[in-house]
Amino acid sequence: AQSVAQPEDQVNVAEGNPLTVKCTYSVSGNPYLFWYVQYPNRGLQFLLKYITGDNLVKGSYGFEAEFNKSQTSFHLKKPSALVSDSALYFCAVSPGGYNKLIFGAGTRLAVHP
Amino acid sequence: DTGVSQNPRHKITKRGQNVTFRCDPISEHNRLYWYRQTLGQGPEFLTYFQNEAQLEKSRLLSDRFSAERPKGSFSTLEIQRTEQGDSAMYLCASSLDGINEQFFGPGTRLTVL
Repeated sequence: AQSVAQPEDQVNVAEGNPLTVKCTYSVSGNPYLFWYVQYPNRGLQFLLKYITGDNLVKGSYGFEAEFNKSQTSFHLKKPSALVSDSALYFCAVSPGGYNKLIFGAGTRLAVHP
Repeated sequence: DTGVSQNPRHKITKRGQNVTFRCDPISEHNRLYWYRQTLGQGPEFLTYFQNEAQLEKSRLLSDRFSAERPKGSFSTLEIQRTEQGDSAMYLCASSLDGINEQFFGPGTRLTVL
């Protein structure tokens, strides 16, 4: 079965410290991978994607993600966290590339001053 | 605002009633998706359209659910004979051929009493 796992329900980090939000996936073929962020009372916002090429992809608001094919992971990273980064983060995979997204359950990021 | 819009934002109904939601995608986007999100979970795919053609439906989409996109622009999602288990946030997203990321609307929160 195709699935996405986000093993941490919540990640706590101090402002200014690096952050990592973990994601692993199980899908046949070459996956298209995405990260979305959800702020309270707002829709999901696209952060970044991996389709092919460089394993390190850069996205919005200083976020980046590293694709690791052997570990089937796509962890989200940021060198220096901001309090305003506090939100719910979703990893998603598109098995066919052009249709449905399969989402993880989400990880709540809390950045403390 | 030229993003994806959804109406209504909130809907409270009694069990057994029918409800209809509307989604207006970004104007040039030919793909339109419906997802359902329950508390503490990531969005789950329901169905998607390319122009007016409904190309995929999830097993989650029971016979009580129907979606249309008659002119390839806006879409409606109807739930007949609502049940308490239908209570969720219903999300709409759109994308453009050749652009993989989906852009989400703010969602319609359905509460079935």
